[in-house]
Amino acid sequence: QLQLQESGPGLVKPSETLSLTCTVSGDSISSNSYYWGWIRQPPGKGLEWIGSINYSGSTYYNPSLKNRVTIYVDTSKNQFSLKLRSVTAADTAVYYCARQGLTIFRGVTSWGQGTLVTVST
Amino acid sequence: QTVVTQEPSFSVSPGGTVTLTCGLSSGSVSTNYFPSWYQQTPGQAPRTLIYSTNTRSSGVPDRFSGSILGNKAALTITGARADDESDYYCMLYMGSGILVFGGGTKLTVL
Repeated sequence: QLQLQESGPGLVKPSETLSLTCTVSGDSISSNSYYWGWIRQPPGKGLEWIGSINYSGSTYYNPSLKNRVTIYVDTSKNQFSLKLRSVTAADTAVYYCARQGLTIFRGVTSWGQGTLVTVST
Repeated sequence: QTVVTQEPSFSVSPGGTVTLTCGLSSGSVSTNYFPSWYQQTPGQAPRTLIYSTNTRSSGVPDRFSGSILGNKAALTITGARADDESDYYCMLYMGSGILVFGGGTKLTVL
């Protein structure tokens, strides 16, 4: 049974880098061609796609975040990670990791439980 | 920049049928946008309902169906139940590897 678990600091200071990791269990990131993604949701607001990656490292990013975002895969740990640079209060959100389909347009098939990241001094 | 539009809110009576839509601020939604639909209750992670316009995700009852109606993607819920009261989000593929969520629809069952 596939499980996705986000981990990382719950509090980040403004202008610093937000770093989150998603640990995948019940599936191997390197054994197939699924896309793996990050999605966030500010408190009381809607969902926003951040970006996606596949096992070979092909990435796609939200154009509005592209200059600040890096997503990468560590197949040895069966993890994929998110780095968001120069954060502000507007980056405060619940961050979800997710497994998508074999193609980027397939949408999300499985979701992590989400982790709240607050940007504040 | 094209915006993905959804009704902010909708209500349905228990046992009734409701159709939520997902459109574009400019242009029409077609199957080429591979619309997908997600259900979210407060404090919970979203749940995938529909992908690629009309394919139900594993375990999703056939009360939920997806389609293209006119120039929009649509999610139809038949036999509405109290536990269908949730926020519903659509997501569209805009091309060039870009995915965009709609603003969501808050569905009330009363």
